Amino acid sequence: AQSVTQLGSHVSVSEGALVLLRCNYSSSVPPYLFWYVQYPNQGLQLLLKYTTGATLVKGINGFEAEFKKSETSFHLTKPSAHMSDAAEYFCAVTVADRGSTLGRLYFGRGTQLTVWP
Amino acid sequence: KAGVTQTPRYLIKTRGQQVTLSCSPISGHRSVSWYQQTPGQGLQFLFEYFSETQRNKGNFPGRFSGRQFSNSRSEMNVSTLELGDSALYLCASSPTGAGNQPQHFGDGTRLSIL
Repeated sequence: AQSVTQLGSHVSVSEGALVLLRCNYSSSVPPYLFWYVQYPNQGLQLLLKYTTGATLVKGINGFEAEFKKSETSFHLTKPSAHMSDAAEYFCAVTVADRGSTLGRLYFGRGTQLTVWP
Repeated sequence: KAGVTQTPRYLIKTRGQQVTLSCSPISGHRSVSWYQQTPGQGLQFLFEYFSETQRNKGNFPGRFSGRQFSNSRSEMNVSTLELGDSALYLCASSPTGAGNQPQHFGDGTRLSIL
């Protein structure tokens, strides 16, 4: 079974500070990993994805994440926070094999990011 | 390219009623998935449709059903509404539903049960 754990339901940073949002997953097969962002009263917007290849992936708005298989982690970072980054962030996983879980996203509980001026 | 469109954006219903939500995927996308988002349970998978067939189903009661039309548009129906069905219902589409394809989400339908 697949599951995702996001450490810290709330993270606060000052504008210009490093953003680090943590995500750990469990999967019995190689995973595909995603980060989504949700702004108030909106749906989910894809930030970045890891499928295969380079383990450091870059996304939109200056975010990046590194897939670490040995640590089963996929933490999201941004060197310098901006006020517009305030939102809720979701880590999600699907699996690489065929079967009943094909196309199904398993989400973490989300991390609310607050950016202080 | 137009994104995923969900209608209506807001709905208010009373217990016992039924409701139908609509989702138009991105043009060319044949896989449509539905998710329920609540503060208590987070984001939970309802079901996925591909080429008019339900291919995958989450752990929800039979009151939750869906269908997909030949143009890939999808509808979700909830019968005998309960207070606990109050949630944001999100629709997502992808080309074929393969696990390595990111899903593109609509802005959701917020359903409130009185």
